[in-house]
Amino acid sequence: NAGVTQTPKFRVLKTGQSMTLLCAQDMNHEYMYWYRQDPGMGLRLIHYSVGEGTTAKGEVPDGYNVSRLKKQNFLLGLESAAPSQTSVYFCASLQSQGSETQYFGPGTRLLVL
Amino acid sequence: QKEVEQDPGPLSVPEGAIVSLNCTYSNSAFQYFMWYRQYSRKGPELLMYTYSSGNKEDGRFTAQVDKSSKYISLFIRDSQPSDSATYLCATSRGGANSKLTFGKGITLSVRP
Repeated sequence: NAGVTQTPKFRVLKTGQSMTLLCAQDMNHEYMYWYRQDPGMGLRLIHYSVGEGTTAKGEVPDGYNVSRLKKQNFLLGLESAAPSQTSVYFCASLQSQGSETQYFGPGTRLLVL
Repeated sequence: QKEVEQDPGPLSVPEGAIVSLNCTYSNSAFQYFMWYRQYSRKGPELLMYTYSSGNKEDGRFTAQVDKSSKYISLFIRDSQPSDSATYLCATSRGGANSKLTFGKGITLSVRP
């Protein structure tokens, strides 16, 4: 049981390049989340999903897109990376409403030059 | 005003000290209160979870929620160097599509 895994662990992009971050969970959780963490800003929610095939915007969605084609996977896409998207990205999953316990992945460090 | 405010850090204490970490929140609809611990270059992990007001104890850790004053606290007794990490408070309304709102986090260093 691996829990929540994220791919890649670290990536360097040039401004304007695109990439996809992959989050996978093997706990059969319904809810999945993408956060970014910046110094002095805490964790901020980018997008989330309450089930397969559904997505919704969080606090800071601009510049990102997501997809949840399979229950166990949640993809975060950057179509045209900007230096302001340099951050550490965390994925999390939640079993169901009422448990309120989110399980986090190890993070992806992204540097946009 | 942010929905969850957390005491700024960093905080450095000697081993064995009692540590008090605090957050305040503004939304009275929050019902669930959590403390996450995050070691350097790792993802956050749930440390304590409380529903509504009251205290919850787990070993050396005590979480306290006072909904009347909208105050959340985490106490660490007999602090150890292994407690050195960033601590984030988080709140949630619960219910359909509820989301966590995090404080900015405080970095704690326990000196041997």
